[in-house]
Amino acid sequence: QSVLTQPPSVSAAPGQKVTISCSGSSSNIGNNYVSWYQHLPGTAPKLLICEDDKRPSGIPDRFSGSKSGASATLAITGLQTGDEADYYCATWDSSLSAGVFGTGTKVTVL
Amino acid sequence: QVQLVESGGGVVQSGTSLRLSCAASGFTFSSYGMHWVRQAPGKGLEWVAVIWYDGRNKYYADSLKGRFSISRDNSKNTLYLQMNSLRAEDTAAYYCARDRHGTTWYGTDYWGQGTLVTVSS
Repeated sequence: QSVLTQPPSVSAAPGQKVTISCSGSSSNIGNNYVSWYQHLPGTAPKLLICEDDKRPSGIPDRFSGSKSGASATLAITGLQTGDEADYYCATWDSSLSAGVFGTGTKVTVL
Repeated sequence: QVQLVESGGGVVQSGTSLRLSCAASGFTFSSYGMHWVRQAPGKGLEWVAVIWYDGRNKYYADSLKGRFSISRDNSKNTLYLQMNSLRAEDTAAYYCARDRHGTTWYGTDYWGQGTLVTVSS
């Protein structure tokens, strides 16, 4: 069972906005950088956000990350059908001395 | 361009061992931390292990300590995962991924396509 909790699913119509929460603790999110990934089954996960709120080159600004205390949030605006995928948060856990992924959230475009 | 290519997966019997490899190219391999991440069928992503750029620090998921071992050969630009005493629950697609820095955790910006490990009982 993961130490990072995400909602199992979120959905919205094309063009709308969705937010995905990632809840942890002071030993992980509270004191370490958070990353966000998009994953389509059978493909390599794609880094969307690193170091809490930075977008790697090539990631559109429709994707944004934020963090407050022991929680992080991924926002996707201008939702597109191509955004249908599983999304994961991830970070380091200083107490476990291990990396941890969130439980994952399935985004559905209605 | 950056490329990570995993190999070594396959179908094995429970209790046996397997070594996965990840061949890296297109970047200075010896400057980056490297991770293994897996995904079991129908499950989410699970972090497995990380090794720092120089190989001196290694960390593992608690549930895998003692059975899995991560290593790297910077002269061959290759990352390894030695998996011993395999169990049915180790059945998964295994991915290698590059950290954005030499240590961790700054986000994994490049991933391989994965290699499938199936453990039959």
